[in-house]
Amino acid sequence: NAGVTQTPKFQVLKTGQSMTLQCAQDMNHNSMYWYRQDPGMGLRLIYYSASEGTTDKGEVPNGYNVSRLNKREFSLRLESAAPSQTSVYFCASSWTGRNEKLFFGSGTQLSVL
Amino acid sequence: LAKTTQPISMDSYEGQEVNITCSHNNIATNDYITWYQQFPSQGPRFIIQGYKTKVTNEVASLFIPADRKSSTLSLPRVSLSDTAVYYCLVGVNNDMRFGAGTRLTVKP
Repeated sequence: NAGVTQTPKFQVLKTGQSMTLQCAQDMNHNSMYWYRQDPGMGLRLIYYSASEGTTDKGEVPNGYNVSRLNKREFSLRLESAAPSQTSVYFCASSWTGRNEKLFFGSGTQLSVL
Repeated sequence: LAKTTQPISMDSYEGQEVNITCSHNNIATNDYITWYQQFPSQGPRFIIQGYKTKVTNEVASLFIPADRKSSTLSLPRVSLSDTAVYYCLVGVNNDMRFGAGTRLTVKP
């Protein structure tokens, strides 16, 4: 099993460009998440999807949109990239419910120039 | 969402036992305590979870006192490869938020 797969692994954008980060999981999990991690910092939740068809804002949603395309896939879109969005982005998934453990992808390193 | 407090950083030497304590004073009755480990350039990975007393697996032990207001992650005989950030999470639903974690540095 691949677990949680993120694409691309690296991306460089110019200010104002748009792009979509893709995430897919093959564990039949209900819930999926997008986090960002700035250098030397902890993870911050951008958006999450408790189940197919639902999405909710996390701590830092501004500048991002998400789509839960189906149970497997959860994408993160930057409509107009800004240098402040330079970060490493992690996707994760879990079963739905309290105390469920998260499974993470390997991350996307994004630089916005 | 129960708030957690951990030390920002810790140093240790190879072969020592390392104990990282997390305080969670407002833990709810049905909350479990979960620890994650994150190596540089990787996503966090689950290492251990517990509800009360002691839990042990091949990686670590988790000690939880009777009042459950704190927990201690114990790493036996650490090696250089245990250098990582360790996160404590308590009783989360889908809004799973990580704090800054504890940055453990193991020295030769």
